[in-house]
Amino acid sequence: AQTVTQSQPEMSVQEAETVTLSCTYDTSENNYYLFWYKQPPSRQMILVIRQEAYKQQNATENRFSVNFQKAAKSFSLKISDSQLGDTAMYFCAFCSLGAGGTSYGKLTFGQGTILTVHP
Amino acid sequence: EAGVAQSPRYKIIEKRQSVAFWCNPISGHATLYWYQQILGQGPKLLIQFQNNGVVDDSQLPKDRFSAERLKGVDSTLKIQPAKLEDSAVYLCASSLGWAGTDTQYFGPGTRLTVL
Repeated sequence: AQTVTQSQPEMSVQEAETVTLSCTYDTSENNYYLFWYKQPPSRQMILVIRQEAYKQQNATENRFSVNFQKAAKSFSLKISDSQLGDTAMYFCAFCSLGAGGTSYGKLTFGQGTILTVHP
Repeated sequence: EAGVAQSPRYKIIEKRQSVAFWCNPISGHATLYWYQQILGQGPKLLIQFQNNGVVDDSQLPKDRFSAERLKGVDSTLKIQPAKLEDSAVYLCASSLGWAGTDTQYFGPGTRLTVL
């Protein structure tokens, strides 16, 4: 079974600065996706960024980028130029693409990191 | 495009009572998911439907939880009887297909408090 670990329960950053959220995962599979989801206070969860395990190039989406280290099973999220609207709970998630496995297409989430952006 | 709709948004019940949650996925999305999110934790998948068939219900406590997806569109999740440890936010999500490549879109959730 896959596990996802986010070791930082809470983080804070000043507006306009950069922050990095950590995530490690454990799997024996070679074919999978990794995701970062954002859950703002009292609002619904939305996808921030995704990474395909077979791609060596790190994914980027505007101010959000990842550092994917497959051998180390590490998947961190960097938020540049932090904005007040980035305040949210951030979840790292793993999805197996191993055909025929019981976990195919199923998201496994970490415990989350609460990020607060201060003005 | 309308998002995933859920109702009610909040529900408070006594233990041993029954409760039902409703979800309307994004139009055209074949796959529907129910997650349980206990305070301070990440969501945990309870059940996954592909159209109106169950793909994965391995983490659904079947002695008290049940779910159905009639006609491959709307879905209901029921708890009968509820226990204190069922207090959580119940999230519904939908995706176009069922591979990890398809983005899951989440609803606002139903916050259940069991007293």
